[in-house]
Amino acid sequence: DTGVSQDPRHKITKRGQNVTFRCDPISEHNRLYWYRQTLGQGPEFLTYFQNEAQLEKSRLLSDRFSAERPKGSFSTLEIQRTEQGDSAMYLCASSLASQPGNTIYFGEGSWLTVV
Amino acid sequence: QKEVEQDPGPLSVPEGAIVSLNCTYSNSAFQYFMWYRQYSRKGPELLMYTYSSGNKEDGRFTAQVDKSSKYISLFIRDSQPSDSATYLCAKQGAQKLVFGQGTRLTINP
Repeated sequence: DTGVSQDPRHKITKRGQNVTFRCDPISEHNRLYWYRQTLGQGPEFLTYFQNEAQLEKSRLLSDRFSAERPKGSFSTLEIQRTEQGDSAMYLCASSLASQPGNTIYFGEGSWLTVV
Repeated sequence: QKEVEQDPGPLSVPEGAIVSLNCTYSNSAFQYFMWYRQYSRKGPELLMYTYSSGNKEDGRFTAQVDKSSKYISLFIRDSQPSDSATYLCAKQGAQKLVFGQGTRLTINP
């Protein structure tokens, strides 16, 4: 399977704990995005990278959130001191900047439940 | 006002019906419009994208953009139970997608 891969698919954690999600984009894609989706809502943009550079961060991305893409390949999204409001599906997506319309492909998501 | 407005439904139609899904958007500085399909607890899957105004057809699916009225539509012909999903419209600009709320669609056999 050469699609966007995310791990873990499901995570249950206690409030206050740290969690980390990993994303492996489509191999030739240089752009990588993180989105968050809650039940009954569309995905909301969090941040994106072009190669290893983080070029934009949403105001939704509080100080407890950090994303990295150290070698321009896979990316991690870490949430520190989780809160119940962080419960959501975290979606990773990737694209090739030169494609028409910069078509963005999503992974299956990582579900986070904070109890 | 949200940048992309979409009626969340739910929408329920019989198998074989023509389905019309619609969105409106508020910012004209976007050129590409996408439709994604999302099954329960899965990631969004790209169905179609259109550039500028006009129609684009792919099998049973037709995407339509009317820039003068800032209206985006997706039509599904000969709907099948396997089309039951949430349909997300999105506009693309400034490197990222802005999504509507999604419309939950059920096709009844």
